[in-house]
Amino acid sequence: EIVLTQSPGTLSLSPGERATLSCRASQSVSSSFLAWYQQKPGQAPRLLIYGASSRATGIPDRFSGSGSGTDFTLTISRLEPEDFAVYYCQQYGSSLWTFGQGTKVEIK
Amino acid sequence: QVQLQESGPGLVKPSETLSLTCAVSGYSISSGYYWGWIRQPPGKGLEWIGTIFHSGSTYYNPSLKGRVTISVDTSENQFSLRLSSVTAADTAVYYCARARGGSYQFDYWGQGTLVTVSS
Repeated sequence: EIVLTQSPGTLSLSPGERATLSCRASQSVSSSFLAWYQQKPGQAPRLLIYGASSRATGIPDRFSGSGSGTDFTLTISRLEPEDFAVYYCQQYGSSLWTFGQGTKVEIK
Repeated sequence: QVQLQESGPGLVKPSETLSLTCAVSGYSISSGYYWGWIRQPPGKGLEWIGTIFHSGSTYYNPSLKGRVTISVDTSENQFSLRLSSVTAADTAVYYCARARGGSYQFDYWGQGTLVTVSS
């Protein structure tokens, strides 16, 4: 079973700053099967990125994903007030889905 | 617009079976895709429980296998979760979601329902 480890656990930034979130897999993951989600308090997760780098419908272009193999990154180019939330990566492999433990992006 | 809605008891006693249903609208389950359950204990992260393909093939989290059963009812356009022998550790918000075939991301989610395990 592939384990996803996200870092940092918490990222304290100001609006307008750049956020870089990491997701590291315990073994190689197909880029086609790596996704990122945003979750705000009391809400269901929302799909941001799939296939490691493709934005989901309606997602602003300040969100971008990159990476391959075991190292993947979600970048938010300029944080807007509504971007402060928890972010999860998720992978699929060998008929199993797994999520990372999450990175909280908080206002500094 | 695809919509998913979870329903079921909000309180379950320890050792009993948790049963939830996810009603799907705006898309026919029998047309394709995977349909999954994910849970989130209070204040914690997301845990994948299991997924069912529209044909009925099931995939379960190994850590829960033996306690989990997911089934689909195409006539009612809904799918269900049963989790047996529950303990307080199974207290969580339970989400149902749709996963795309070929890339396997969860693109549509229900709003979630809190299930508390307590006597």
